[in-house]
Amino acid sequence: NAGVMQNPRHLVRRRGQEARLRCSPMKGHSHVYWYRQLPEEGLKFMVYLQKENIIDESGMPKERFSAEFPKEGPSILRIQQVVRGDSAAYFCASSLTGGGYPHNEQFFGPGTRLTVL
Amino acid sequence: GENVEQHPSTLSVQEGDSAVIKCTYSDSASNYFPWYKQELGKGPQLIIDIRSNVGEKKDQRIAVTLNKTAKHFSLHITETQPEDSAVYFCAVGRVQGAQKLVFGQGTRLTINP
Repeated sequence: NAGVMQNPRHLVRRRGQEARLRCSPMKGHSHVYWYRQLPEEGLKFMVYLQKENIIDESGMPKERFSAEFPKEGPSILRIQQVVRGDSAAYFCASSLTGGGYPHNEQFFGPGTRLTVL
Repeated sequence: GENVEQHPSTLSVQEGDSAVIKCTYSDSASNYFPWYKQELGKGPQLIIDIRSNVGEKKDQRIAVTLNKTAKHFSLHITETQPEDSAVYFCAVGRVQGAQKLVFGQGTRLTINP
């Protein structure tokens, strides 16, 4: 029973380039969450998605960041025109449903470490 | 919005001793309190959680206590072992529905042999 998969595990981009981070939820899970972790800090919520829908994007920066979770395939977090301040670890989590405990328990992937040069 | 404070930021204990990490939260509507363990280079792993209808929960050497009135909860690890060394995060959320988790700042726990 594979857990949450994220790729790439490490990503290096130059300022101004685009970064695409992918997340495949656990089998049977239809809810995906993205969090960002700056060095020596806790995780900060970015966005919560169900298949083909963004449910809560209250933690997403207003510009350059977008997320999707298509009907088929992984969830994608896209960062356009990256800047050095975007360097962080980006974690994806998935849950079985949104229907309440324990089915909304979040399981985390290993993260993508983005470095912007 | 919810605000979570976690203390201490670092904790060093002798192997076999107990470790306690504390968190406070601000939103009285929050009712789900998970604890995560993060090892170097890995994602957070859920180790124990508690809901606000329960005051204490125990799982082998790990226990969590909740004081809903004071809005604080604690993680207790007894008989610590070297493999307990990691960063521990508390988080706060809601039992109903899939809601975002608000995390504490983390505690780096070191177990000295």
